[in-house]
Amino acid sequence: EAGVAQSPRYKIIEKRQSVAFWCNPISGHATLYWYQQILGQGPKLLIQFQNNGVVDDSQLPKDRFSAERLKGVDSTLKIQPAKLEDSAVYLCASSLFSGSSYEQYFGPGTRLTVT
Amino acid sequence: AQKVTQAQTEISVVEKEDVTLDCVYETRDTTYYLFWYKQPPSGELVFLIRRNSFDEQNEISGRYSWNFQKSTSSFNFTITASQVVDSAVYFCALSEAGSGGSNYKLTFGKGTLLTVNP
Repeated sequence: EAGVAQSPRYKIIEKRQSVAFWCNPISGHATLYWYQQILGQGPKLLIQFQNNGVVDDSQLPKDRFSAERLKGVDSTLKIQPAKLEDSAVYLCASSLFSGSSYEQYFGPGTRLTVT
Repeated sequence: AQKVTQAQTEISVVEKEDVTLDCVYETRDTTYYLFWYKQPPSGELVFLIRRNSFDEQNEISGRYSWNFQKSTSSFNFTITASQVVDSAVYFCALSEAGSGGSNYKLTFGKGTLLTVNP
């Protein structure tokens, strides 16, 4: 079974530029998550989708971050414009359904450096 | 609000030593889940264990064991006879049901970097 795929693996941009990350979850997984992991910290949930609907985006900086999962499968996370403090690893995860009894499977992440 | 504290930032041991990683959590919910994840240098988070708040039995899986104590709000992780391949960052995490119970938020601690030297 293929795992969660993410691309690109690394990205370097200048502040005020835009960037987009792509995630393809495990086939059949209804729930998709985007996390931000700043160096030296644990992952922080940015947004959670159930199929193509948003379940929780309370920690997403909506003035610059946006995410979509139009067909309920793959998802894109965008930052526009980027700030220095956005430098982090962006992790995508998926689970069969939403709920604590369903394990989240994580992708390898995209490491973003904003200069 | 839920919170997870991993007081040990870094631990360094020599191969074959036993090592315990501490995790203390805070929650107002009576129903919650606790997790441990491993993050090797490759960056991918690997699920190790999930424990619900009603099951306080300790668990052993090979060289790994977990001690859940509700009285002290702790969920500690022990690696017996550590190996170099155990070197990674280990995260403890907590989830409780969100509004309506239909979704939940996974809150991670800051992680403990374990280095096992040969």
